[in-house]
Amino acid sequence: KAGVTQTPRYLIKTRGQQVTLSCSPISGHRSVSWYQQTPGQGLQFLFEYFSETQRNKGNFPGRFSGRQFSNSRSEMNVSTLELGDSALYLCASSLGDTEETQYFGPGTRLLVL
Amino acid sequence: SQQGEEDPQALSIQEGENATMNCSYKTSINNLQWYRQNSGRGLVHLILIRSNEREKHSGRLRVTLDTSKKSSSLLITASRAADTASYFCATDDYTGGFKTIFGAGTRLFVKA
Repeated sequence: KAGVTQTPRYLIKTRGQQVTLSCSPISGHRSVSWYQQTPGQGLQFLFEYFSETQRNKGNFPGRFSGRQFSNSRSEMNVSTLELGDSALYLCASSLGDTEETQYFGPGTRLLVL
Repeated sequence: SQQGEEDPQALSIQEGENATMNCSYKTSINNLQWYRQNSGRGLVHLILIRSNEREKHSGRLRVTLDTSKKSSSLLITASRAADTASYFCATDDYTGGFKTIFGAGTRLFVKA
């Protein structure tokens, strides 16, 4: 099976812009989770989608949003970008039961100037 | 906030030596997982240990779990240069809905 893919791999934006990141899970996986990784805060959970519904959400401002499509592909959007949003954004997929192993994509590295 | 905290933050050893990393967590768990990350890439799942297990092996990896001390350790035996990576423990947090919480990680450098 193909692994989790994320596009784009690298992105440079300026403050105030918005960005959309995409994640394609492993075939058959219905859960997609998103994480933000920064040197200062480490890996932080953003949200999780299952069957097109947001099932769980971390402590991030409303500028961070996401959605999941019927084919389980997921997108996350960050509006009004801030310098502090520069990070590696990772998505992970799993079959859907809680406590399962998650399979991570390579990440999208976002730089906000 | 982070549930798991790894110790040490960084570790440098020679190839062939064993590497031990520790993880402490705060709340009760159903399972604990260890992941590896190579140089800013995605995470790779290494091993999952359930709360009713005390020790688990996978190849050169040995994981122990002590729920009374809320701690786990990951031992990599006969380390190789290719083991150079960051290692994270992850636990489940059910506060306000289920999510996986990662520790800050241990950066392991194996010198050839």
